[in-house]
Amino acid sequence: AQRVTQPEKLLSVFKGAPVELKCNYSYSGSPELFWYVQYSRQRLQLLLRHISRESIKGFTADLNKGETSFHLKKPFAQEEDSAMYYCALNVKAAGNKLTFGGGTRVLVKP
Amino acid sequence: ETGVTQTPRHLVMGMTNKKSLKCEQHLGHNAMYWYKQSAKKPLELMFVYSLEERVENNSVPSRFSPECPNSSHLFLHLHTLQPEDSALYLCASTQGHQTGDTEAFFGQGTRLTVV
Repeated sequence: AQRVTQPEKLLSVFKGAPVELKCNYSYSGSPELFWYVQYSRQRLQLLLRHISRESIKGFTADLNKGETSFHLKKPFAQEEDSAMYYCALNVKAAGNKLTFGGGTRVLVKP
Repeated sequence: ETGVTQTPRHLVMGMTNKKSLKCEQHLGHNAMYWYKQSAKKPLELMFVYSLEERVENNSVPSRFSPECPNSSHLFLHLHTLQPEDSALYLCASTQGHQTGDTEAFFGQGTRLTVV
């Protein structure tokens, strides 16, 4: 079975500092990895996915199959980045259904 | 409203009540999902519907009964729930279950409290 682990429940950083959210997964095949974000009073929405290999809102994430990780990084955090972040895995061959990690709350202090 | 809409936003029900959660999507998607978000657990997939057919039931108790009358609407019928069923119930949709883009679009959720 697939599993996604986000070891940090809360990350508190100052504005302008780097932030890294850890995500590890367990799946033996080729998964699709995503980061979803939920800002205060907003719905859960896609932030980025590994196949697009692009930077969204200054965030990047690299899939490391050797370490089975998909950590999310931003070099300079902004206050508007304060939100709940979820790492998710999809096994397309089994149908589009997401397995989520427990989430990491990011608090960016001024 | 565009996207995925869930009603009601909040629901308080007794253990002997029967209620239904509603989800509607205006994205032209063919797959819809129910997820449960409890206070101390990750988001858990409950049910998957593809083209109005249930394709997955993730070992959910029978007191939760989904219904998908068409590809735009998804219901979750609730009866004789337990206090531990109190949670945020999220609806989501994707273009397809095994085809199409894999991005999931979520509703705002229904906050359910069972008393």
